[in-house]
Amino acid sequence: GDSVTQMEGPVTLSEEAFLTINCTYTATGYPSLFWYVQYPGEGLQLLLKATKADDKGSNKGFEATYRKETTSFHLEKGSVQVSDSAVYFCALLGRGAQKLVFGQGTRLTINP
Amino acid sequence: AAGVIQSPRHLIKEKRETATLKCYPIPRHDTVYWYQQGPGQDPQFLISFYEKMQSDKGSIPDRFSAQQFSDYHSELNMSSLELGDSALYFCASSSQGSDIQYFGAGTRLSVL
Repeated sequence: GDSVTQMEGPVTLSEEAFLTINCTYTATGYPSLFWYVQYPGEGLQLLLKATKADDKGSNKGFEATYRKETTSFHLEKGSVQVSDSAVYFCALLGRGAQKLVFGQGTRLTINP
Repeated sequence: AAGVIQSPRHLIKEKRETATLKCYPIPRHDTVYWYQQGPGQDPQFLISFYEKMQSDKGSIPDRFSAQQFSDYHSELNMSSLELGDSALYFCASSSQGSDIQYFGAGTRLSVL
């Protein structure tokens, strides 16, 4: 079945550091790929998405590129802020499917 | 902008009791999804509805049932509660043809 694997956390960085959170997937066909963010005590918020190979999703300084050849969708940000501290989930939606399949989540803490 | 509304936000129950969780989707969204997120876990898909009909089913226990009503709100009914049912329950909604699911803030269920 479809699955998503994220780099294990937690990840702790200093403010203004460069961020990469790795995400790889296994799916039949060509799924849509997402990054969701969960702030403490809140629900999941869509951060960005990509629907086909080589698409780049971007939002709030975060970027991720849909790489079909490596089945990856790594999340990057050039300069993180304390307010980026949250749990980040990579997810996929198979073609014609209803359910999102999530990775295990990566807890990110940014220190001032 | 209106978001997905879930109620209650917190619920405490005893073992073997029943619980009902409610979800009000974003206006004009016709599809509702339920997910369960255990402590430190990724969200797991339970069930979804489109136009009041069940559209997909995941790892939902037989003790749980759900439905979508004519006003598109949905309820998740949980009976014979077990300690392991303690989790954060998310509802999400989308409009048909869109691959973006918008999540509510969740209901935190604690079974004592």
